[in-house]
This record gives sequence, C-alpha cells and structure tokens, in this order.
Amino acid sequence: GEDVEQSLFLSVREGDSSVINCTYTDSSSTYLYWYKQEPGAGLQLLTYIFSNMDMKQDQRLTVLLNKKDKHLSLRIADTQTGDSAIYFCAEVFTASKLTFGTGTRLQVTL
Amino acid sequence: EAQVTQNPRYLITVTGKKLTVTCSQNMNHEYMSWYRQDPGLGLRQIYYSMNVEVTDKGDVPEGYKVSRKEKRNFPLILESPSPNQTSLYFCASGQGVQETQYFGPGTRLLVL
Repeated sequence: GEDVEQSLFLSVREGDSSVINCTYTDSSSTYLYWYKQEPGAGLQLLTYIFSNMDMKQDQRLTVLLNKKDKHLSLRIADTQTGDSAIYFCAEVFTASKLTFGTGTRLQVTL
Repeated sequence: EAQVTQNPRYLITVTGKKLTVTCSQNMNHEYMSWYRQDPGLGLRQIYYSMNVEVTDKGDVPEGYKVSRKEKRNFPLILESPSPNQTSLYFCASGQGVQETQYFGPGTRLLVL
C-alpha cells in the first residue's frame, strides 16, 4: 500500500544542520519531493529528486535517497529561524496520485 | 500573478448544511486536487482531476463531491457536513501530477 511516514517534530539550534527523514513503502515512485509549509500558509515546493538519483544538492539543501531502504532525507545546512516550518515529503505512486507524508515540524531555537 | 485562490478562507457551519469551497487557478493547469490537513495525519488527498470533466477519488473521498466543468475551477462540495469534516482544506494545481503543485492558502472549516 501507499504509506509515507515522517517523525512529527524536530528541534535544532540556529546554525546547526537539520536532518528530516521520510520512509515510504512504494518502490516504483518516479519522483520524490520535499514541500515546506510556513505558518498559516499553503505548501510550497522546496526541492525534488528523481528516483534514479542518490543525492541532490541545492544551496543549503541536500536530498539523499536510499532506494534499498526506501528512505529519503532532507538536510538543511546552517539552519536559520526562517527555516521553522512543517516539511512534507511526497511521492507520485501512480500516474495520477501524489501522496504526502505526515509532515515534520522543524523548530529552530536561538 | 500566478496563483491558486480559495474561498472562503474560514467557515463555521452546522451539521447537515450544504456548503461549497471554491478553488480557482490562473495558470492553465490541467491537474487539480483537494487535500485535508489534520494534526498527526499530514495531508490526505480527497479528490483529484486530471482535466475538465475528469475527476477521481483520492484517499478520503467519503462525504465530499467535486466537479470540473472548467479548467480553472475545481469546487469542493460537502452535501451534508459532519463534525469529522472539521479540518484545514487545501486546493492545489499543477501542469501534471509529477509537476510542481501550487497550493492555495487553505480554508479552515469548523462543523458544529
């Protein structure tokens, strides 16, 4: 079945690295995404990775994909207070359906 | 400005009183979808539409209806709302399901 799981909460100090993890059950996904939801707002695409890649780096963001373990992670380097948000991983299971994880609330403390 | 709009943003209603939440996008996107967001459950898809007159059920369609008569609009209809439909609802659109999804600002619904 389609299941995407994340831990609910992560707290880090400003300047440290954050690592948000996601596990999924369907190994046929083509694309995997990270979306960010700031307080009181809708979701915005942060980054994505193709399933034939292991890693993607985009400025402070690094996405790692371990297909064998069905594990996706998002690393945010030098975490800032503006990074405080809920982060969702998501994947396309079929040609028409996008499934989101439960979301991880990132709290950045001074 | 490219955007997805939803109305109303906030709604308090009573059990059984039919309501419609509108969603409109100005990006000529073919794919549109509705989600509900509940604490600890993340985003769950209610319905989606691949194009005009093409709609299908997501993971939690019970108690909801949709229609797609025009490309830009994708209203969500609750024929007889119940308290378990109290939630935060998001509409989204994208050129396709694998393309970037653009989300509306959300509609917070309370059913008493």
